[in-house]
Amino acid sequence: DQQVKQNSPSLSVQEGRISILNCDYTNSMFDYFLWYKKYPAEGPTFLISISSIKDKNEDGRFTVFLNKSAKHLSLHIVPSQPGDSAVYFCAASVDNAGNMLTFGGGTRLMVKP
Amino acid sequence: NAGVMQNPRHLVRRRGQEARLRCSPMKGHSHVYWYRQLPEEGLKFMVYLQKENIIDESGMPKERFSAEFPKEGPSILRIQQVVRGDSAAYFCASSRKSSGANVLTFGAGSRLTVL
Repeated sequence: DQQVKQNSPSLSVQEGRISILNCDYTNSMFDYFLWYKKYPAEGPTFLISISSIKDKNEDGRFTVFLNKSAKHLSLHIVPSQPGDSAVYFCAASVDNAGNMLTFGGGTRLMVKP
Repeated sequence: NAGVMQNPRHLVRRRGQEARLRCSPMKGHSHVYWYRQLPEEGLKFMVYLQKENIIDESGMPKERFSAEFPKEGPSILRIQQVVRGDSAAYFCASSRKSSGANVLTFGAGSRLTVL
């Protein structure tokens, strides 16, 4: 029973365009959502997060949107750069607890020059 | 200023052998979390430890798996009598205290292959 799902295993975009990565969750107890970025042979690196009391959080080129009623969140990267090519994991947590992270299966983003 | 160090990076074991994975947290971090990533899946929480204490092991299989974080030395995840289904990447993360998920620092992982 996957509580956090990333339905697109891969995404390819052109440099300079927008990348939109999607994530759906089922557990209504989740109240904190995070995106991690992972390069090959490295561990996940925290990218951006959002609390359930907000519907948008922006950090430079990265914006996360949360739609609680649809239990859906998305990560927008604009403009996309080749260095953004990585696997992106969506994760959800209860109370922002480090031991309560539930990860999606990841989306591999490829940004073409 | 080394990050979270995991070793070995790659480990090959035959069925029935033991696997020991080590995690040295970042300097000043006293909380360690172990996550497992099975092929084609996301990371799944296994266990959360402080020095000499297991805080939460709700994600740990009941048999063959154990974890410790001694007063001195790295945290160790031990898998006895490994089976093929244990083949996965095991990630360790650390934090300074019981922190938010957004401040966990992950290591590069240990990839276990069971033949």
